[in-house]
Amino acid sequence: DVKVTQSSRYLVKRTGEKVFLECVQDMDHENMFWYRQDPGLGLRLIYFSYDVKMKEKGDIPEGYSVSREKKERFSLILESASTNQTSMYLCASMWAGEVNTGELFFGEGSRLTVL
Amino acid sequence: GNSVTQMEGPVTLSEEAFLTINCTYTATGYPSLFWYVQYPGEGLQLLLKATKADDKGSNKGFEATYRKETTSFHLEKGSVQVSDSAVYFCALRMDSSYKLIFGSGTRLLVRP
Repeated sequence: DVKVTQSSRYLVKRTGEKVFLECVQDMDHENMFWYRQDPGLGLRLIYFSYDVKMKEKGDIPEGYSVSREKKERFSLILESASTNQTSMYLCASMWAGEVNTGELFFGEGSRLTVL
Repeated sequence: GNSVTQMEGPVTLSEEAFLTINCTYTATGYPSLFWYVQYPGEGLQLLLKATKADDKGSNKGFEATYRKETTSFHLEKGSVQVSDSAVYFCALRMDSSYKLIFGSGTRLLVRP
């Protein structure tokens, strides 16, 4: 079974802190994604990566950066957390061989609260 | 731009009732369509998909048919169970794109 593991299920941070959200997948998938989930807004794509050290901005990249130094690991970084970044963050991975129809495999999510 | 619109929830049903969750899309081409489900405390998982017009996706008693003429992909189940209580997301992906575009989600609550 594909497993996508997010290192922290719940985090509480203060405004201005630097926050790292880590995600690891064990299926050798080329593509990895970070989404943000908010009530009434569904999932919105923050960043995705299609290879090591390669990344592209999604729909809402402002205030976020990412790092992909190894194929299995994709990190989301909040350089200076703000209260409007309080949200559920979901990591996902996908095999590159099925661009149109491929299934996304999700982690369980990291709920971040910024005070 | 490309987008997905879902009916607002929550949808509350009694066990064994018939379920329909409406989903319509706007797209410039011919997308692949998906339904994902999120059970309480879990990440999303793929429920079913359809990749071209008139395709029917099915899984776990759920079905959805890709209707190009009405740009719809409604989710149906003939008899829901308490264990079906979850949030359901409709999504689309355009040709040659990795990006999955999600609707806002519909919460389903099934009562015994």
